[in-house]
Amino acid sequence: RKEVEQDPGPFNVPEGATVAFNCTYSNSASQSFFWYRQDCRKEPKLLMSVYSSGNEDGRFTAQLNRASQYISLLIRDSKLSDSATYLCVVRTGNQFYFGTGTSLTVIP
Amino acid sequence: EPEVTQTPSHQVTQMGQEVILRCVPISNHLYFYWYRQILGQKVEFLVSFYNNEISEKSEIFDDQFSVERPDGSNFTLKIRSTKLEDSAMYFCASSEEQSTEAFFGQGTRLTVV
Repeated sequence: RKEVEQDPGPFNVPEGATVAFNCTYSNSASQSFFWYRQDCRKEPKLLMSVYSSGNEDGRFTAQLNRASQYISLLIRDSKLSDSATYLCVVRTGNQFYFGTGTSLTVIP
Repeated sequence: EPEVTQTPSHQVTQMGQEVILRCVPISNHLYFYWYRQILGQKVEFLVSFYNNEISEKSEIFDDQFSVERPDGSNFTLKIRSTKLEDSAMYFCASSEEQSTEAFFGQGTRLTVV
């Protein structure tokens, strides 16, 4: 079983749309959770950490459900610049485990 | 803003040669990592390093690979006797504490011919 599973997409949405990404993880002992974004042939860049209480950063909202081992990311009012691959990342022990990423394209 | 830096940005090497990929983690960070990403695939963990020793490694990180922190700032990945399938983007990352987020360098694209 994969440590982190994501729907690879692609998601193609119009500008201004709201889009949601989901992720599940397999190890209940995982300690920390993150969303990263990766542009083509670039390094992963931290978008936000994810907490059980949920957290929001501008147009981005992340949620963690430890009981279901489920993480989500909501992007409101999508911009063209949001087009990227969104990586669900889970820290277990001394490793960060990456999902395969969900591809988002925002269309004018 | 502090960042992780990696050199070179692109390395081409012949099969069977040794390569050393270099990284300068963020200065107050204590945990260091190497990851790789084969084109079109997901980011894969290679090794984590803390307190001058390997704390965890994946099955990818076999005897062909080694890491070193030769001084107070550099963190290197050595690949001995490179194979074609070692061609990938190699990312170095560092984190301040075990539970905090990791920051990634811009990567070294390794091409083995």
